Amino acid sequence: GQQVMQIPQYQHVQEGEDFTTYCNSSTTLSNIQWYKQRPGGHPVFLIQLVKSGEVKKQKRLTFQFGEAKKNSSLHITATQTTDVGTYFCAKPGAGSYQLTFGKGTKLSVIP
Amino acid sequence: KAGVTQTPRYLIKTRGQQVTLSCSPISGHRSVSWYQQTPGQGLQFLFEYFSETQRNKGNFPGRFSGRQFSNSRSEMNVSTLELGDSALYLCASSSRDTSTDTQYFGPGTRLTVL
Repeated sequence: GQQVMQIPQYQHVQEGEDFTTYCNSSTTLSNIQWYKQRPGGHPVFLIQLVKSGEVKKQKRLTFQFGEAKKNSSLHITATQTTDVGTYFCAKPGAGSYQLTFGKGTKLSVIP
Repeated sequence: KAGVTQTPRYLIKTRGQQVTLSCSPISGHRSVSWYQQTPGQGLQFLFEYFSETQRNKGNFPGRFSGRQFSNSRSEMNVSTLELGDSALYLCASSSRDTSTDTQYFGPGTRLTVL
């Protein structure tokens, strides 16, 4: 099926450094969602982006949706050890309540 | 509100056996989706149930099946287990009454097939 590509697969950063993960689709998306999964945990919804060029902020997290609605990014400013986990983007699948997830970016933060 | 609950949390089975996993969605949520998570394939959609009907199905063999009860609780069944079925099985619920597709995930059932 239609994939959503996410890069990088892994990212190791020193605490205090910034982090960005990118998500790309070959097709225009109606919306894109971001989830975070802590080690040993389950995915937790972070945000949904719907509008072209949309930018949303949650404290140190900034989410962007591209103008063409084919790509998205998540940027974390000044990472903390609590940011450790895998960040997934997800797009609607063939059925409206079916999500297709990217492979995720696993973030490690070195204290 | 209580979150999504899944039972059992851990399960060990042998090849050829079958298994049933249970999921109770958030109160008031009528949509339940199932996902399989493996290190190699990541998170993959299995199927979605709404109002006791399967609405969407992912690309999995017929050994994977599910159902939903009138109280929205859902079960998924895997028959004739294979080693490759070892995975974390996640259930997610959604209210399905808004424009958002937000999925609220349960803690998952870790299935190991020996």
